[in-house]
Amino acid sequence: AQSVTQLGSHVSVSEGALVLLRCNYSSSVPPYLFWYVQYPNQGLQLLLKYTTGATLVKGINGFEAEFKKSETSFHLTKPSAHMSDAAEYFCAVSGSGTASKLTFGTGTRLQVTL
Amino acid sequence: DGGITQSPKYLFRKEGQNVTLSCEQNLNHDAMYWYRQDPGQGLRLIYYSQIVNDFQKGDIAEGYSVSREKKESFPLTVTSAQKNPTAFYLCASSMLLAETGELFFGEGSRLTVL
Repeated sequence: AQSVTQLGSHVSVSEGALVLLRCNYSSSVPPYLFWYVQYPNQGLQLLLKYTTGATLVKGINGFEAEFKKSETSFHLTKPSAHMSDAAEYFCAVSGSGTASKLTFGTGTRLQVTL
Repeated sequence: DGGITQSPKYLFRKEGQNVTLSCEQNLNHDAMYWYRQDPGQGLRLIYYSQIVNDFQKGDIAEGYSVSREKKESFPLTVTSAQKNPTAFYLCASSMLLAETGELFFGEGSRLTVL
């Protein structure tokens, strides 16, 4: 069994400020972890993923996330927010060795203000 | 360009009517999925298919039906038995035995029941 918890359904930051979106997971097998971004009325786009190896993962648009097994976390960060980062962000987990079945969190809507 | 095409993008239906949402992919992916998205609830899996002529129920399959007659196509029918069909529907695909379980999404179809 696997699950994902995203803390904070809405996060607001000023342009240029640090973005931190929190994700905690549970999985009975070593996890694969993902962050997806969704712009209004569109599908989801992969931002970054962790499978094995280096625990700090860099993605598109300047985002990165760090896999911390001891904390069962995979928080998403970006040093400096841009107005174009305003979107909804979803964390997801799948179990390694399973047939591509992801479990999604409930999402965090990021607002960026001037 | 390879990708997933969903149609229609917007659809209105009267209560008691069945409606079919189209999903076509040219990524040569074996697995296809249908998700339902409601505000604050994230993505919930309706049905998925790992091979032609075979599919499995997801977490919220009641009131929905699917078929997988071709590798490229995975249409979803929202039947009159679905109690609350107004939602945003997302189709996705993946390589069957992908190491990472990464999904590729279409742009979505928004269904509104009048």
